Amino acid sequence: QVQLVESGGAVVQPGTSLRLSCAASGFTFSKYAIHWVRQTPGKGLEWVAVVASDGRDKKYADSVKGRFTISRDNSKKTLDLQMNSLRSEDTALYYCVKDIKEGAAEYHFDYWGQGTLVTVS
Amino acid sequence: ETVLTQSPATLSLSPGERATLSCRASQSVGTYLAWYQQKRGQAPRLLIYDASNRATGIPARFRGSGSGTDFTLTISSLEPEDFAVYYCQQRRSWPSITFGQGTRLEIK
Repeated sequence: QVQLVESGGAVVQPGTSLRLSCAASGFTFSKYAIHWVRQTPGKGLEWVAVVASDGRDKKYADSVKGRFTISRDNSKKTLDLQMNSLRSEDTALYYCVKDIKEGAAEYHFDYWGQGTLVTVS
Repeated sequence: ETVLTQSPATLSLSPGERATLSCRASQSVGTYLAWYQQKRGQAPRLLIYDASNRATGIPARFRGSGSGTDFTLTISSLEPEDFAVYYCQQRRSWPSITFGQGTRLEIK
């Protein structure tokens, strides 16, 4: 079965950096775009970033552009999110999420991890 | 940014009743709309994609409809496990995709 397991969440101070990771299993990782989506009680669900199946194309929400970097290693079936210059508004539960379609991202999400909590304070 | 407005914020119904949840977009999203269910302490689960397609393993009592700016998720006969929060999400303006604020479906 499809599994996405996030790690790396922590309590950090504003202005610092943090790296989140996601380990995937149960599907052909290299064929799907993978996203990060975050959730807060106040702002709800917010899409953060996507990396194409081959790792070359990457897109970001305006709120994180220039601060966050998404990357993947298809040989290891892992996804990373490097978060720099963290702000209080980045506090959220971060989900690693699989795109529904093989190949180009379709931005509908059929499998979600359980999330990793980032607190910036 | 395309804003999705869900209504009602909270819906109180009994098992066996029919639930009708609404999602309205601030501009047309075609049929590029999905619905997710989230139970307390769990990640969201995809129910419907592209407005009316049920995701793998989703029971037939869940039905999505609509196009353009007005969408509906209908649960024909509520089961106890259906009480949760439901979100809509549009992908028309990718990568600037957006989610609605959610409808809480609670037991009356």
